[in-house]
Amino acid sequence: DAKTTQPNSMESNEEEPVHLPCNHSTISGTDYIHWYRQLPSQGPEYVIHGLTSNVNNRMASLAIAEDRKSSTLILHRATLRDAAVYYCILRDRSGGSNYKLTFGKGTLLTVNP
Amino acid sequence: DSGVTQTPKHLITATGQRVTLRCSPRSGDLSVYWYQQSLDQGLQFLIQYYNGEERAKGNILERFSAQQFPDLHSELNLSSLELGDSALYFCASRSSGDGNSPLHFGNGTRLTVT
Repeated sequence: DAKTTQPNSMESNEEEPVHLPCNHSTISGTDYIHWYRQLPSQGPEYVIHGLTSNVNNRMASLAIAEDRKSSTLILHRATLRDAAVYYCILRDRSGGSNYKLTFGKGTLLTVNP
Repeated sequence: DSGVTQTPKHLITATGQRVTLRCSPRSGDLSVYWYQQSLDQGLQFLIQYYNGEERAKGNILERFSAQQFPDLHSELNLSSLELGDSALYFCASRSSGDGNSPLHFGNGTRLTVT
């Protein structure tokens, strides 16, 4: 099954851009790359997802490498409210299912004022 | 607001008891997922339903069961509760049954077993 690798933690300053990396070297050709974040005491929140092309939405941008073996979530101007655990995940095909999204440990982002 | 509603928000019960957690998915979403998150573990996938049928199973204990009803709401039943079952239980929904559309999570039910 395709797995993702993320740094355990990263630190940023308020109003500066943040680049959160994710490696997924065994990704399948049809799998989207999903990013979620979880603020303290809340449920995970969808951030962005993409297949091949770079994607933008009001929350973030997703830059996907040409070989799709890695991606980067970009927060253009970090705010204190962006402090959270960020998860990069792929569809989990284990057990013969095409439907699971399995979360790893993610990256804990700390934003300094 | 994700549109996914989970009740109750908090639940305190004793070991050996049985509880039911309820989830109402976003309007129009056919697929419901259940996850468990305890302090020392990440989000653990438990089970998934699509339009009333079980589609995928994760690390769900035999003491736990779930179902999705014709109106698409789902319930997670936890029985013979143990201290280690204390955790946050999240429900999520998505519009399609495949693994490529976004999941939308509720705010969870915090279960405390004493």
